[in-house]
Amino acid sequence: EAQVTQNPRYLITVTGKKLTVTCSQNMNHEYMSWYRQDPGLGLRQIYYSMNVEVTDKGDVPEGYKVSRKEKRNFPLILESPSPNQTSLYFCASSPRRQNTGELFFGEGSRLTVL
Amino acid sequence: GDSVTQMEGPVTLSEEAFLTINCTYTATGYPSLFWYVQYPGEGLQLLLKATKADDKGSNKGFEATYRKETTSFHLEKGSVQVSDSAVYFCALSDPGTPLVFGKGTRLSVIA
Repeated sequence: EAQVTQNPRYLITVTGKKLTVTCSQNMNHEYMSWYRQDPGLGLRQIYYSMNVEVTDKGDVPEGYKVSRKEKRNFPLILESPSPNQTSLYFCASSPRRQNTGELFFGEGSRLTVL
Repeated sequence: GDSVTQMEGPVTLSEEAFLTINCTYTATGYPSLFWYVQYPGEGLQLLLKATKADDKGSNKGFEATYRKETTSFHLEKGSVQVSDSAVYFCALSDPGTPLVFGKGTRLSVIA
């Protein structure tokens, strides 16, 4: 089944404890992206990648890192999480290198930073 | 920069009622327009799209027409069902720029 898989789906952590949210897609998609969803703010892009070893900042990259060592994986790294990073995170992918707007989303990872 | 404005919710309708969710946009280029739907506990799914002026996107009984003159892409459905309860996002994509989402409109359909 074609899908974007994120892990963990739910996580409660404490300020400053490094964490990684993994994202994997099995559709051989070129483009991958991370979003965060917050009440009243909709979805905001954190980082995106158009190809292996190519990543770029989105609208809200502060406090996050990403890597794209393989085509299928695009982990989101929070080196020192803070409470303002409490949010619902979505990974998405697209078959074309340029974002055409047609995205396939994972089911989301709800992160709480205490 | 590009932006999308959609009506605030929540919208509550009875089953079989007519649905309209308004969406207007601001863009510098000639964007493609999208509606995404997010069912409870799930990620977003593409519902429909339109790539140029006067195009009509349709899927699952939902429709939206790309109106360049009014910079709008309103979502409509003639008869909603309880299973349509979800959050709906309007979005636009200008070539080479990230997808821009509206803030979402929550729809609740009651039997």
